[in-house]
Amino acid sequence: AQSVTQLGSHVSVSEGALVLLRCNYSSSVPPYLFWYVQYPNQGLQLLLKYTSAATLVKGINGFEAEFKKSETSFHLTKPSAHMSDAAEYFCAVSVMGSARQLTFGSGTQLTVLP
Amino acid sequence: EPEVTQTPSHQVTQMGQEVILRCVPISNHLYFYWYRQILGQKVEFLVSFYNNEISEKSEIFDDQFSVERPDGSNFTLKIRSTKLEDSAMYFCASTDSQSYGYTFGSGTRLTVV
Repeated sequence: AQSVTQLGSHVSVSEGALVLLRCNYSSSVPPYLFWYVQYPNQGLQLLLKYTSAATLVKGINGFEAEFKKSETSFHLTKPSAHMSDAAEYFCAVSVMGSARQLTFGSGTQLTVLP
Repeated sequence: EPEVTQTPSHQVTQMGQEVILRCVPISNHLYFYWYRQILGQKVEFLVSFYNNEISEKSEIFDDQFSVERPDGSNFTLKIRSTKLEDSAMYFCASTDSQSYGYTFGSGTRLTVV
């Protein structure tokens, strides 16, 4: 079975500072990895996904993530935080199979300080 | 861009009542899912549906839950006798067979009173 651990349930950064949200996964087979963003009272929006192509994945809104197999990590970064980035971020893993369901981490609430 | 549509956006129901949550997945997608998110908690997998049958379900998806694809477009989640702990946001999602391009609906907030 696969699982995801997100380190830090709350992260605060200043506007313009680097954003780093951590995600480690556990999977017995090569995983597919995802980052989703959730704004208050809204649904889940896909930021980016890794599906065994390039290990550095670029997503929307200036976010990117790097798949590191040796560290079983898929950390999300953005060079310069914007106030509009304040939201909850979920890392998720899936594996190839009949069901392909996503397993989500507990989420990280990002606060951007002025 | 194609969307997954969920109705209603909010539903309040009395404990013990049956509710049906509705979803219209993206038309060429083949895999359909229901997830739920209890307030302040993480998103949890409930059930996946492929080729007109359940392909996998979680421990949460007990006999009170059922899913159906009654026609070529709708995908429904039924809770037979709601409990207070069923209060949550329920998300429908779909994906195609190739790209793992999961698309989520905007959710139905279910409140059981």
